[in-house]
Amino acid sequence: DGGITQSPKYLFRKEGQNVTLSCEQNLNHDAMYWYRQDPGQGLRLIYYSQIVNDFQKGDIAEGYSVSREKKESFPLTVTSAQKNPTAFYLCASTNRGPDNYGYTFGSGTRLTVV
Amino acid sequence: GENVEQHPSTLSVQEGDSAVIKCTYSDSASNYFPWYKQELGKRPQLIIDIRSNVGEKKDQRIAVTLNKTAKHFSLHITETQPEDSAVYFCAAYTGRRALTFGSGTRLQVQP
Repeated sequence: DGGITQSPKYLFRKEGQNVTLSCEQNLNHDAMYWYRQDPGQGLRLIYYSQIVNDFQKGDIAEGYSVSREKKESFPLTVTSAQKNPTAFYLCASTNRGPDNYGYTFGSGTRLTVV
Repeated sequence: GENVEQHPSTLSVQEGDSAVIKCTYSDSASNYFPWYKQELGKRPQLIIDIRSNVGEKKDQRIAVTLNKTAKHFSLHITETQPEDSAVYFCAAYTGRRALTFGSGTRLQVQP
């Protein structure tokens, strides 16, 4: 699936629950990113990781957490502290930076609070 | 941090007409400006990019121009076709962190 796989495609969360979105790539890319997409707001950066065992907050990190224990995996946890988690979440990866052939995006996870 | 503004938010053109989408950025350190196209229900795909040492770049019917002094860049699509209908995102990169995206433009090409 383009070398980067997100699962699940659709996810429903109850109030107060934590949920984890999976992102796996087999492209041997060093850097991975999580973006949130809302209508009319473009893509906003949640977290990014440029190397294994290291990650940095993006512009809207509150209520989210990540880990980068393996090069190929960058899961995103949406915690109960995230007050408005309903959105489309996109994971991306690059080889040595986005100015080197651009991002490879996953197909996204649509999260809905029920 | 970097801030990217994109206009218009929606754009409707007749098939065969040209379409122009404009973006401005705030950080003068930005040196890479890609454009992504996202068709309905699909992931964004890179369609063209430009670096700060170049003023214009063309690829068939699409072109991007960059004005570093004014800190703005534009996407030009000529001879539009229905398959050009999509959401287009501009972005900027300073060489640190990650891409900062604009808010997107929904382009509708009327047959």
